[in-house]
Amino acid sequence: GQQLNQSPQSMFIQEGEDVSMNCTSSSIFNTWLWYKQDPGEGPVLLIALYKAGELTSNGRLTAQFGITRKDSFLNISASIPSDVGIYFCAGSGNTPLVFGKGTRLSVIA
Amino acid sequence: KAGVTQTPRYLIKTRGQQVTLSCSPISGHRSVSWYQQTPGQGLQFLFEYFSETQRNKGNFPGRFSGRQFSNSRSEMNVSTLELGDSALYLCASSFGALNTEAFFGQGTRLTVV
Repeated sequence: GQQLNQSPQSMFIQEGEDVSMNCTSSSIFNTWLWYKQDPGEGPVLLIALYKAGELTSNGRLTAQFGITRKDSFLNISASIPSDVGIYFCAGSGNTPLVFGKGTRLSVIA
Repeated sequence: KAGVTQTPRYLIKTRGQQVTLSCSPISGHRSVSWYQQTPGQGLQFLFEYFSETQRNKGNFPGRFSGRQFSNSRSEMNVSTLELGDSALYLCASSFGALNTEAFFGQGTRLTVV
């Protein structure tokens, strides 16, 4: 099925560093969602975006809905060990959610 | 408010058997979607139900089916299990139509041997 292009696939960073990841699509989306998944658990919703150009924060996390409606990015500032996990973007354009393949984040203390 | 509840958490079945997974959405949510997650394919959409009607269906064989009850609880069934059906099956609950936030359960880990 259709999937989003999410990059990078994995990241190894030092604790305290900032992180940036993004998703692009060939289709226009009306909604962008960002999730975090820990091993053996379901994805947890971090941020929801509904408007082109929208910039939304949730603590140390900031996400933006691209103005073309075909991309979104997620930034994590001052990473900590509990940020470890897989981050997924998901988009919807009057269709069921389509997911990226995830960015695996590892934080080195 | 209770989250999305999926049962069972783990299942081991043999090839050829069938399995039923259950999902109770967040109270007040009427939309339930099912996804299959595997390391190679990521999260793949199975189907979506809204007010007991299947609204969308993914590209999976007819062995995969589902239903939704009047209380919004949903079940999915996989018949004639194959080794490749081993995966984490995730249920997501939404308040209403598409383009709204979806909240996931913890998933059911199905292993087919």
